[in-house]
Amino acid sequence: GAVVSQHPSRVICKSGTSVKIECRSLDFQATTMFWYRQFPKQSLMLMATSNEGSKATYEQGVEKDKFLINHASLTLSTLTVTSAHPEDSSFYICSAREVGGEQFFGPGTRLTVL
Amino acid sequence: LAKTTQPISMDSYEGQEVNITCSHNNIATNDYITWYQQFPSQGPRFIIQGYKTKVTNEVASLFIPADRKSSTLSLPRVSLSDTAVYYCLVRFGNAGNMLTFGGGTRLMVKP
Repeated sequence: GAVVSQHPSRVICKSGTSVKIECRSLDFQATTMFWYRQFPKQSLMLMATSNEGSKATYEQGVEKDKFLINHASLTLSTLTVTSAHPEDSSFYICSAREVGGEQFFGPGTRLTVL
Repeated sequence: LAKTTQPISMDSYEGQEVNITCSHNNIATNDYITWYQQFPSQGPRFIIQGYKTKVTNEVASLFIPADRKSSTLSLPRVSLSDTAVYYCLVRFGNAGNMLTFGGGTRLMVKP
């Protein structure tokens, strides 16, 4: 199947700093990308959906000013966690799909905020 | 979107067949049923998808009764490496967005 990559795979940062996570579709053009968050022993929770070139649609309860999403090209979306706090520590997973195509998930990024 | 309900956990032994049932009582006419597998600290991986009756691939089989209010993922002859969390999702159409993950079923395969 198609490949979706994420970078970095894990990041540790101090409280108050901002962290950027990249999601790339390696062999297809992703018109839609999704960002999920997963806490330990819990299921994936959708944070936002973004279409290339337009603003992301955030799920209820997700602060758009804190979780900045940029889907500037058909192969790249970024999630920036601004002013990170320990409660933002989680496993962040992106997903990408092309028009009418299957949805593929990235390997995830483990964020730890100290 | 239809809500899904699965057992929280299941135990099995190597070589056994494992059946995980998911209920989706309010599934809509255009909804498809999709199953994903997730290992710790990894993204979900597609296993199988179906609309009705039975679907089989090299990894698993999916059984869907006529009323489509439930589905059963069947894993033949599981091995230790099949220990993972399995998610049942309902999506609109055969290529709808994966918006809602339920709780999943944590399968533990023992030697």
